[in-house]
Amino acid sequence: EADIYQTPRYLVIGTGKKITLECSQTMGHDKMYWYQQDPGMELHLIHYSYGVNSTEKGDLSSESTVSRIRTEHFPLTLESARPSHTSQYLCASTNGGRRIEQFFGPGTRLTVL
Amino acid sequence: QQQVKQSPQSLIVQKGGISIINCAYENTAFDYFPWYQQFPGKGPALLIAIRPDVSEKKEGRFTISFNKSAKQFSLHIMDSQPGDSATYFCAASAYGQNFVFGPGTRLSVLP
Repeated sequence: EADIYQTPRYLVIGTGKKITLECSQTMGHDKMYWYQQDPGMELHLIHYSYGVNSTEKGDLSSESTVSRIRTEHFPLTLESARPSHTSQYLCASTNGGRRIEQFFGPGTRLTVL
Repeated sequence: QQQVKQSPQSLIVQKGGISIINCAYENTAFDYFPWYQQFPGKGPALLIAIRPDVSEKKEGRFTISFNKSAKQFSLHIMDSQPGDSATYFCAASAYGQNFVFGPGTRLSVLP
């Protein structure tokens, strides 16, 4: 079981609300990622970070923002949620070494009404 | 250049059969090719991975076959079990950079 945690697991909110999805890992990994995934479908990279104070946008355009103030914490914020943001959000972190492994959290299933 | 193609989109196999999922890539800089398994309601988890210095890697019932000249790699699941029913993603990475994932294959193993 990977030591990467996401909260909340499920969230139902109304349009226009500001939300923050939390992600924490206890493995000391420098690289962290956020993916957007409709259940069982393709993974879309929306943000990544290679270390503290480093954040980049991914391949899929997203209206969300991220921050990386501490190594273990990589929250994602939506300033004004819309129904089009309804999806599953997966957080991940990557170790170094020859056997590179991207560890995924359990995901947050977001529904915007 | 960054895309990883994966087929089939879905696969149905009888218990005890062999499941085969194929992936192809274009970027010759890719040097690491993992396969991930995802069950409903869970995040993906690393299943097995290979580097291009070998043509095959086996871990239990799972085998990756790698063809560097064709830029293709495949996952073989021997003696498939109902518990193997999940979505499988191939991926590729260059020099430890961001993973590029395939679109996924939904495997159903019938009892």
